[in-house]
Amino acid sequence: NAGVTQTPKFQVLKTGQSMTLQCAQDMNHNSMYWYRQDPGMGLRLIYYSASEGTTDKGEVPNGYNVSRLNKREFSLRLESAAPSQTSVYFCASSKEGSGIEQFFGPGTRLTVL
Amino acid sequence: AQSVTQPDIHITVSEGASLELRCNYSYGATPYLFWYVQSPGQGLQLLLKYFSGDTLVQGIKGFEAEFKRSQSSFNLRKPSVHWSDAAEYFCAVGARTGRRALTFGSGTRLQVQP
Repeated sequence: NAGVTQTPKFQVLKTGQSMTLQCAQDMNHNSMYWYRQDPGMGLRLIYYSASEGTTDKGEVPNGYNVSRLNKREFSLRLESAAPSQTSVYFCASSKEGSGIEQFFGPGTRLTVL
Repeated sequence: AQSVTQPDIHITVSEGASLELRCNYSYGATPYLFWYVQSPGQGLQLLLKYFSGDTLVQGIKGFEAEFKRSQSSFNLRKPSVHWSDAAEYFCAVGARTGRRALTFGSGTRLQVQP
């Protein structure tokens, strides 16, 4: 039982490049989330998916897109990376019906030059 | 909109001393309340949570937190800090209905002196 896994762990991009961050969970959770963490700002919600086939914007969605590929996988795409997207990205999941306790992946550290 | 305030950005305590990390929230009703810990370079690990009932909740690693409705607070405490407790601590709130994502505070970094 790996919990929540994220790939890659580190990535360096040039401005304008695109990339997809991958997230998968093996806990049969319905809901999945993408957060970004910046110094002094805690975690801010980018997008979330309440269930397979649904996605919704969070607090800071601009410049990002998401895909809930199936119940296990939830990807985050940067179409044209900007230096302001330099951050640590965390994926999380939760099981509806047992409160909203969220389980987090190890994070992806992204630098945009 | 809900919000979370952690007024202490950085706290230093001596090993063996007691610890209290403050958390205040703004929300129209009683939210779900959480404390997470993040060690350097790691993801977030849940320390404890409050859903309902007893306002003093026990968590892992000897931590506890007390929900005080009148003060809109959920402070984290530990009677005796260990060097391994050095980390960043995040308070979070979640709505009981509607969108289930969490709102996090900005975090408190704990340093433990030998």
